[in-house]
Amino acid sequence: QKEVEQDPGPLSVPEGAIVSLNCTYSNSAFQYFMWYRQYSRKGPELLMYTYSSGNKEDGRFTAQVDKSSKYISLFIRDSQPSDSATYLCAMNAGGTSYGKLTFGQGTILTVHP
Amino acid sequence: NAGVTQTPKFQVLKTGQSMTLQCAQDMNHNSMYWYRQDPGMGLRLIYYSASEGTTDKGEVPNGYNVSRLNKREFSLRLESAAPSQTSVYFCASSRASDRNEQFFGPGTRLTVL
Repeated sequence: QKEVEQDPGPLSVPEGAIVSLNCTYSNSAFQYFMWYRQYSRKGPELLMYTYSSGNKEDGRFTAQVDKSSKYISLFIRDSQPSDSATYLCAMNAGGTSYGKLTFGQGTILTVHP
Repeated sequence: NAGVTQTPKFQVLKTGQSMTLQCAQDMNHNSMYWYRQDPGMGLRLIYYSASEGTTDKGEVPNGYNVSRLNKREFSLRLESAAPSQTSVYFCASSRASDRNEQFFGPGTRLTVL
């Protein structure tokens, strides 16, 4: 079993929809959680960062972490065609493991007009 | 600021040939990383360098070597390329901190025939 599980999709939604992307993990030591966005044929770019449990909002994007359930989510409100990309979750335990981010497989999202 | 740059962008090799992928960052980051990305496998860590003068193996180091040339540059070498090394290679860098937010380059698409 992988340390981080992410449904690869693909996920196709109409413009304006609310999108929910999710990851589950097994390592209870993870405490830093990130979402990366990767456009086709580009490198991943950091989208959201959260520490420990709770919510963080940035414009149309909200990241949620539930450490008790080992579950993280990224919500996209009023989705746009420009949001079409692969979204990767990543996490890290901090401390002496700071060198290693563990990534999910990535979810391919298409927002159609 | 260019961020993280990688050369070359594309490369085709024959089995048994060698090559070096170059990576440089101008963000004064201490840590640098090499990943490969394959369909359905997500991002897998090959090697990383926590700081200048140190390197460590990641999840999939076999068939690769690295050199941390100075604080800015981190190269990945394939001594005898194999078709299984056909992939997209990403370099990343981060400050040496618990947050470990990594910043990625644009990638090198490598095909080994």
